[in-house]
Amino acid sequence: RKEVEQDPGPFNVPEGATVAFNCTYSNSASQSFFWYRQDCRKEPKLLMSVYSSGNEDGRFTAQLNRASQYISLLIRDSKLSDSATYLCVVSYTGTASKLTFGTGTRLQVTL
Amino acid sequence: DADVTQTPRNRITKTGKRIMLECSQTKGHDRMYWYRQDPGLGLRLIYYSFDVKDINKGEISDGYSVSRQAQAKFSLSLESAIPNQTALYFCATSDNSGRLNEQYFGPGTRLTVT
Repeated sequence: RKEVEQDPGPFNVPEGATVAFNCTYSNSASQSFFWYRQDCRKEPKLLMSVYSSGNEDGRFTAQLNRASQYISLLIRDSKLSDSATYLCVVSYTGTASKLTFGTGTRLQVTL
Repeated sequence: DADVTQTPRNRITKTGKRIMLECSQTKGHDRMYWYRQDPGLGLRLIYYSFDVKDINKGEISDGYSVSRQAQAKFSLSLESAIPNQTALYFCATSDNSGRLNEQYFGPGTRLTVT
């Protein structure tokens, strides 16, 4: 079983739609959680950290469920510019600054 | 100017050749990392360094070596390249402040071994 699992998609949604991605992780000792965004053939960039209480940044909302070991990303009012691959990332106790990446979920927003 | 730069951006080399990928950063971060990305496998950590005198193996270090020449420079070498080292390679940095684990990536080096 992969340490971090994501549905690869693609998710094809019209502009303005709301879309949600989930990610599951296998190590219950996981400490920190993030969503990174990666455009085609470009470097990953941090989109947002995920906090235990859930957090929001504009149109983006991240949630963490430690009991079920999953995190989610909700994107409201999708824009064409949101088209990218979204990487779920976790770090584990005792491995400070070492990240484990999911393989990513591809989002395509269309007119 | 980019905070994390990588050279070369693209490289095609032959099996058995030695190749070095270079990474430089102007962010003043102590921690640097090398990853490779393959389709369907996500990013995997090759080596990381928490300061100039510190080198640590990641999950897939076999066939690779690194050198941390200065705080700002971290090089990855393939001593004898093989075709399954064809991949997209990323360098990343992070600081050791309270925001641990937030990493900043370079633009990547696309390496093809024929």
